[in-house]
Amino acid sequence: QKEVEQDPGPLSVPEGAIVSLNCTYSNSAFQYFMWYRQYSRKGPELLMYTYSSGNKEDGRFTAQVDKSSKYISLFIRDSQPSDSATYLCAMSAVDSNYQLIWGAGTKLIIKP
Amino acid sequence: DSGVTQTPKHLITATGQRVTLRCSPRSGDLSVYWYQQSLDQGLQFLIHYYNGEERAKGNILERFSAQQFPDLHSELNLSSLELGDSALYFCASSHRGGAKNIQYFGAGTRLSVL
Repeated sequence: QKEVEQDPGPLSVPEGAIVSLNCTYSNSAFQYFMWYRQYSRKGPELLMYTYSSGNKEDGRFTAQVDKSSKYISLFIRDSQPSDSATYLCAMSAVDSNYQLIWGAGTKLIIKP
Repeated sequence: DSGVTQTPKHLITATGQRVTLRCSPRSGDLSVYWYQQSLDQGLQFLIHYYNGEERAKGNILERFSAQQFPDLHSELNLSSLELGDSALYFCASSHRGGAKNIQYFGAGTRLSVL
């Protein structure tokens, strides 16, 4: 079993929809959670960063962490075709020397 | 622009050859990470250097090696190349690599082994 599980998709939704992307994990020591966006064949770029549990909002993006369920989510409101990309979750913990553990990435397609 | 520079952008070579990929981290960043991403695959962590010293190894083949120089740039050396080594190779940097390990990625080097 992988430490971080992420459905590879593709997830296809119409423009304007609310998108929910998720990762589950097994290591309860994870404290730092990140979402990266990767356009095709480009370098990943950091979207959201959260520490421990709770929500964090940035424009149309909301990151949510539920440590009791070992589950993190990224919500995208009013999705746009330009949001079409692969979204990767990553997380770290002190007991792994803060090395980032990555999900496989979910490919998102927003249809105009 | 992330501030991380990778060269070359594209590399085409033949099986059995050796290549060197170069990475310049963001100004002030001490940690450099190398990743491999094959077509439609996730990021595979290869190796982490902090201020010139190796800190962690991931799924790095023995044919691959890396180093970080005093000016903090890093090189990834790939030798005895095989067709399966064709992939995107990303370098990322972070300030220290400890807590709040936010990594900033370069644009990658696309390696094609023919």
